[in-house]
Amino acid sequence: AQKVTQAQTEISVVEKEDVTLDCVYETRDTTYYLFWYKQPPSGELVFLIRRNSFDEQNEISGRYSWNFQKSTSSFNFTITASQVVDSAVYFCALSVTTDSWGKFQFGAGTQVVVTP
Amino acid sequence: DTAVSQTPKYLVTQMGNDKSIKCEQNLGHDTMYWYKQDSKKFLKIMFSYNNKELIINETVPNRFSPKSPDKAHLNLHINSLELGDSAVYFCASSPPGRGHEQYFGPGTRLTVT
Repeated sequence: AQKVTQAQTEISVVEKEDVTLDCVYETRDTTYYLFWYKQPPSGELVFLIRRNSFDEQNEISGRYSWNFQKSTSSFNFTITASQVVDSAVYFCALSVTTDSWGKFQFGAGTQVVVTP
Repeated sequence: DTAVSQTPKYLVTQMGNDKSIKCEQNLGHDTMYWYKQDSKKFLKIMFSYNNKELIINETVPNRFSPKSPDKAHLNLHINSLELGDSAVYFCASSPPGRGHEQYFGPGTRLTVT
């Protein structure tokens, strides 16, 4: 069975501080995908990144960066120099896929609150 | 152009009623999904259809019945609505052979009073 743990329920920071969101996953499959989604107060799910299990390269996109470590089964997400617009719930997800479908297992989410 | 659309966006109804939520995708995908996000923000898959065939059916009360009239549509019908059905329901779709590329709709907020 797959499992995703986001131990941080809520993180509050002041603008311009860095914030790191933790994600730990469990799966017995060797091929899988990891994701981060942002859910702003408006409610939609905004795709941020997808990583497959064979690509452990870290990634940076603007103020966002991701650290994937298979050795610790973690896929952490850092927002550098946070802004008020970063206030949202962030979900980590794991997917094991077949040829025809994928089954996303989401973590419980981490609420990020950025205050001016 | 909207890729995955859901109607309605908001739905308020009373206990015991029957309601439907519609989902349409114009991406040419062949697999569609329904996810439920409860009041604690927890997201969980409910159903998936591939080429109009049910392939994922999680532990969901049988009051929930998905229907896929064609590959571009996956509707969710809920009978005898209960207070606990209040949630946000997200539809998603994925292209052939790429279940890890799921495109999510904007969500439908269902409130049962």
